[in-house]
Amino acid sequence: DAGITQSPRHKVTETGTPVTLRCHQTENHRYMYWYRQDPGHGLRLIHYSYGVKDTDKGEVSDGYSVSRSKTEDFLLTLESATSSQTSVYFCAITPGALSGANVLTFGAGSRLTVL
Amino acid sequence: GDSVTQMEGPVTLSEEAFLTINCTYTATGYPSLFWYVQYPGEGLQLLLKATKADDKGSNKGFEATYRKETTSFHLEKGSVQVSDSAVYFCALSDASRSSASKIIFGSGTRLSIRP
Repeated sequence: DAGITQSPRHKVTETGTPVTLRCHQTENHRYMYWYRQDPGHGLRLIHYSYGVKDTDKGEVSDGYSVSRSKTEDFLLTLESATSSQTSVYFCAITPGALSGANVLTFGAGSRLTVL
Repeated sequence: GDSVTQMEGPVTLSEEAFLTINCTYTATGYPSLFWYVQYPGEGLQLLLKATKADDKGSNKGFEATYRKETTSFHLEKGSVQVSDSAVYFCALSDASRSSASKIIFGSGTRLSIRP
């Protein structure tokens, strides 16, 4: 495996509570991404990071924040979870275009249910 | 902004049938194009890629040709197998951007192969 792990893998929480998902990599890749997968919508980019403390918004960033204080960890936080954020969340990493066309390696996913 | 449009599924074929899954894109620069596959219960993995116009990506009997004139990257396989049943995602990475690459996915096409 490529050395990317997500935690927790499954979480059930209640509306209004904060939630943090963690993505940890051991590949020393520069770029990290958070996506959500929903039926009929495919994968939608939430936020991505191009280095420590360097992040940018994706297509569906409202209600989410991220942090990257060290190369290996990329945290996704839902400040106040809503039922519309029930989804499967995937983290992905890549060394970047100069190292081979930005091929992504994905984590196993984190299934979040907001009641 | 950049976007990827895939044919809607589900697609159901008999074993040994010919497969085409259409993918078109819009991008302001010169993107790299990808097909990823997601087998049941798993994360996404790269199937094939092409980094410039007229390149052909191929893997496991699947092929796709980067057509700049029609902004397309259609996935084809001459004879599908039951084991090809999965969800297929078309994606692009705009490597010409000066900042980190957003990597955008289509909505996915579910493929089911009957024995």
